[in-house]
Amino acid sequence: NAGVTQTPKFRILKIGQSMTLQCTQDMNHNYMYWYRQDPGMGLKLIYYSVGAGITDKGEVPNGYNVSRSTTEDFPLRLELAAPSQTSVYFCATRSGGQGETQYFGPGTRLLVL
Amino acid sequence: QKEVEQDPGPLSVPEGAIVSLNCTYSNSAFQYFMWYRQYSRKGPELLMYTYSSGNKEDGRFTAQVDKSSKYISLFIRDSQPSDSATYLCAMSASGSGNTGKLIFGQGTTLQVKP
Repeated sequence: NAGVTQTPKFRILKIGQSMTLQCTQDMNHNYMYWYRQDPGMGLKLIYYSVGAGITDKGEVPNGYNVSRSTTEDFPLRLELAAPSQTSVYFCATRSGGQGETQYFGPGTRLLVL
Repeated sequence: QKEVEQDPGPLSVPEGAIVSLNCTYSNSAFQYFMWYRQYSRKGPELLMYTYSSGNKEDGRFTAQVDKSSKYISLFIRDSQPSDSATYLCAMSASGSGNTGKLIFGQGTTLQVKP
């Protein structure tokens, strides 16, 4: 039972390049979330999904896109990378049952130069 | 004004000390309160979870929620060097049928010196 896995662990992008951050969970959770964490800061919600086929914007969605075609996968797409997107990206899941506990992946470190 | 305020520290204490970490918030609709621990270069992991007001104890950790003051605390007794990490408070206003969106504090960096 791997929980929440994220790939890649680290990536360097040039300005204007695109990439997809992968997130996969094996807990059969309906809810999935993407956060970014800037140095010395808390986590800010980028996008979330309440189930396959349903996604919605969070606090900081500009420059990102998501899709949710299966329960297990929730990829985050960066188009036209900018230095402001240099951050650590965390994927999280939640069962939707009692409580609000979210379970986080190990993160992807992204550097845009 | 941010919805959740947390002193970023850093906070440095000697081993065995009692540590107090705090957050204040402005949204009176918050019902769920969590503390996450984040080790360097790792993802956050849930440490304590409290619904509404009151205290919750788990080993050396105690979480307190005072909704009348919009103030939550995490106490760590007999702190250990292994407790050195960043502690993030998080809150949610959701109920049944909700989206579970969390609002995080900035995080407090704690160092426990042997």
